[in-house]
Amino acid sequence: AQSVAQPEDQVNVAEGNPLTVKCTYSVSGNPYLFWYVQYPNRGLQFLLKYITGDNLVKGSYGFEAEFNKSQTSFHLKKPSALVSDSALYFCAVRDTAGANNLFFGTGTRLTVIP
Amino acid sequence: DAGVIQSPRHEVTEMGQEVTLRCKPISGHNSLFWYRQTMMRGLELLIYFNNNVPIDDSGMPEDRFSAKMPNASFSTLKIQPSEPRDSAVYFCASSSTIGDSNQPQHFGDGTRLSIL
Repeated sequence: AQSVAQPEDQVNVAEGNPLTVKCTYSVSGNPYLFWYVQYPNRGLQFLLKYITGDNLVKGSYGFEAEFNKSQTSFHLKKPSALVSDSALYFCAVRDTAGANNLFFGTGTRLTVIP
Repeated sequence: DAGVIQSPRHEVTEMGQEVTLRCKPISGHNSLFWYRQTMMRGLELLIYFNNNVPIDDSGMPEDRFSAKMPNASFSTLKIQPSEPRDSAVYFCASSSTIGDSNQPQHFGDGTRLSIL
């Protein structure tokens, strides 16, 4: 079965510092991986996805994620954090090739400290 | 373009009452998903539809919950009778599998449901 794990419930980082939000996955077959962000009182918003190709994926708002097959990881990164990046971040993996539903991680709350 | 539209945004009702949540997916999307989010359980997939047909309803908690998609532009999630433990934020999302089955899901802003 497909699953993702987000080992950190909370990540704090100072404004201007690089940030990393961790995600590991477990899949049978090829991994199709996604990152979403949720701001207060809003639905989830798509940030980026990895389907195939280059291991470094660039997405919205300056975020990027690195796919690492040997470590089964898909960590979200940003070189310089903004206070406005403070939100809840979800990693997700797509179901088997025949379906298009996603399995979401438990979420990581990112707080960027001014 | 209009995103996924959910109504109502907030619903407060007494236990035992019927609750109906509504969703209008993005035009042209052929997949629709209902999720529930709580602090305790996080984000849970309740049911999803492809081309208006329910594909997987294994996440629906119990028979009190039902979902329909009578056409490509409308879906409902109904709880009857409602209980306090149903209090949560319910999200609807839609996506398209046409041409690319890995297109992202687009979420509405949710319905915050409180059952007293």
